[in-house]
Amino acid sequence: KQEVTQIPAALSVPEGENLVLNCSFTDSAIYNLQWFRQDPGKGLTSLLLIQSSQREQTSGRLNASLDKSSGRSTLYIAASQPGDSATYLCAVGRRTGGFKTIFGAGTRLFVKA
Amino acid sequence: EAQVTQNPRYLITVTGKKLTVTCSQNMNHEYMSWYRQDPGLGLRQIYYSMNVEVTDKGDVPEGYKVSRKEKRNFPLILESPSPNQTSLYFCATHRGTEAFFGQGTRLTVV
Repeated sequence: KQEVTQIPAALSVPEGENLVLNCSFTDSAIYNLQWFRQDPGKGLTSLLLIQSSQREQTSGRLNASLDKSSGRSTLYIAASQPGDSATYLCAVGRRTGGFKTIFGAGTRLFVKA
Repeated sequence: EAQVTQNPRYLITVTGKKLTVTCSQNMNHEYMSWYRQDPGLGLRQIYYSMNVEVTDKGDVPEGYKVSRKEKRNFPLILESPSPNQTSLYFCATHRGTEAFFGQGTRLTVV
């Protein structure tokens, strides 16, 4: 059974710092991996999507990497800003036994001004 | 504007009283799904639908039903809600492998 773990559960950093959020999964037979942002009381916004054949994706100050063999993904945020404060979720998509998406519990990020 | 709309946003109900949470999308996506989000557990998939009249169980389907009679709507039905179904519910659609989420429905069952 696929399990997705995110470490740390919470993180507080000063503004301007570069930071890395981690996501690990137990089954490497994935279809894709997606990073989301969730603001309090709101839905999820897709940040980056990495197909299983890719190793990384970039969007602005965000860079996500994928290493299927080790079951790991990282989300790198450069020059963090207070507006980056949110919960970040990673989700693994798989197609064996049906099309399913499995989420990690998230990392709550707080960027201090 | 591309939208996934859930209703209601907030609902308090009593044990055993049937309820339906609606989900509608205007993107003509085939794939839709329902999730629940609980503290410390992240989002868990309840049901998904690959197309009209095609639905399948996710990881936590017990106590829920869905239907997909038309492409744009994917309602979540709780025939006999129980307190352990108190949660934050999200509907999502997918375009290829990109997911779009609704704003969520906070359900409390007392």
